[in-house]
Amino acid sequence: NAGVMQNPRHLVRRRGQEARLRCSPMKGHSHVYWYRQLPEEGLKFMVYLQKENIIDESGMPKERFSAEFPKEGPSILRIQQVVRGDSAAYFCASSQGSDLYGYTFGSGTRLTVV
Amino acid sequence: GQQVMQIPQYQHVQEGEDFTTYCNSSTTLSNIQWYKQRPGGHPVFLIQLVKSGEVKKQKRLTFQFGEAKKNSSLHITATQTTDVGTYFCAGGGYNKLIFGAGTRLAVHP
Repeated sequence: NAGVMQNPRHLVRRRGQEARLRCSPMKGHSHVYWYRQLPEEGLKFMVYLQKENIIDESGMPKERFSAEFPKEGPSILRIQQVVRGDSAAYFCASSQGSDLYGYTFGSGTRLTVV
Repeated sequence: GQQVMQIPQYQHVQEGEDFTTYCNSSTTLSNIQWYKQRPGGHPVFLIQLVKSGEVKKQKRLTFQFGEAKKNSSLHITATQTTDVGTYFCAGGGYNKLIFGAGTRLAVHP
């Protein structure tokens, strides 16, 4: 029973390029969350998705960031025209339901913008 | 919006000493969850507390949820080097968990 799968583990992008981060939730989990973690800091909520629906994107920057969770395939967090400040660890988590269930986190994608 | 504050930010202890981290929310929580993140790793779910005044134990770890459901604590008895990491509390908010900034625990042998 595989856990939450994220790829790539490490991603290096030049300023102005696009970054695509993928997340396959744990089997049986239909709720996906993306969090960003800056070095030495906590986890900042970005977006909560269910299949084909964005439920809560209150933590997403208004520009350059988007997320989707299609009917088939993994959830994608997309960052367009990356800047140095986007460098961070991006964690995906999945759960059976909303906040009443423990989250299972993936290993994260460490994004470095050079 | 809802905020979850956690103290202390850092804690250095000698192996065998006890450790406590505290979590406070600006609003009443439906539940509180605790996670541990090892250096370079990802957060791992430890426990969830739902009831007012609830106390749960996992071996040397004791978790408490305040009567008003606005604060919580994690206490580790007789720390070991394997306890090293950052401990996060997370408050159940509408649709999502709001994480505290975490307490980084260093254990010196």
